[in-house]
Amino acid sequence: NAGVTQTPKFQVLKTGQSMTLQCAQDMNHEYMSWYRQDPGMGLRLIHYSVGAGITDQGEVPNGYNVSRSTTEDFPLRLLSAAPSQTSVYFCASRTAGRGETQYFGPGTRLLVL
Amino acid sequence: GENVEQHPSTLSVQEGDSAVIKCTYSDSASNYFPWYKQELGKRPQLIIDIRSNVGEKKDQRIAVTLNKTAKHFSLHITETQPEDSAVYFCAASMNDYKLSFGAGTTVTVRA
Repeated sequence: NAGVTQTPKFQVLKTGQSMTLQCAQDMNHEYMSWYRQDPGMGLRLIHYSVGAGITDQGEVPNGYNVSRSTTEDFPLRLLSAAPSQTSVYFCASRTAGRGETQYFGPGTRLLVL
Repeated sequence: GENVEQHPSTLSVQEGDSAVIKCTYSDSASNYFPWYKQELGKRPQLIIDIRSNVGEKKDQRIAVTLNKTAKHFSLHITETQPEDSAVYFCAASMNDYKLSFGAGTTVTVRA
């Protein structure tokens, strides 16, 4: 199993550009989430999904869109990048049920100029 | 929403000593409290977790305690080693998958 994979590893954008951060998992996990990590602020939940076709907003959803057309994939779209979206983005997944571990992907470092 | 506060933000300990990190949460409905370790440039990894029906859980040199009445929980690392140096995050959740994280504690173990 590759686990949770993310692409790209690093990206530079100009203000106003759009892009999609890819996340995939091969563990047949029902739950998938996107977090952003900023210095001194821990990880903050952007969007999450409890299954294919079901998504919901987290703590900081503004400026981001998600979709979950398959169990495996959970892409995060930046509609019009802003410098405030410079961050490290982590995708995570876990199977349903109590006591299950949430696995994080390796992260995508995004710089918006 | 849930608000998790974590203290201290940095912690330096001598190798072999114990380290304690404390977190408080605001929502009494939270019932799942995981701890993650993140090494520099790496992804967070779960090291231990506890549920609200348990007061303490131990796994080798790490332990977590939970006080639901006071709404706080703590991570204890005993006999610290250089490989324990990392950033540690606490989190709280009502439903296992929607986690609210603390700001993190940078632990440095001095040889």
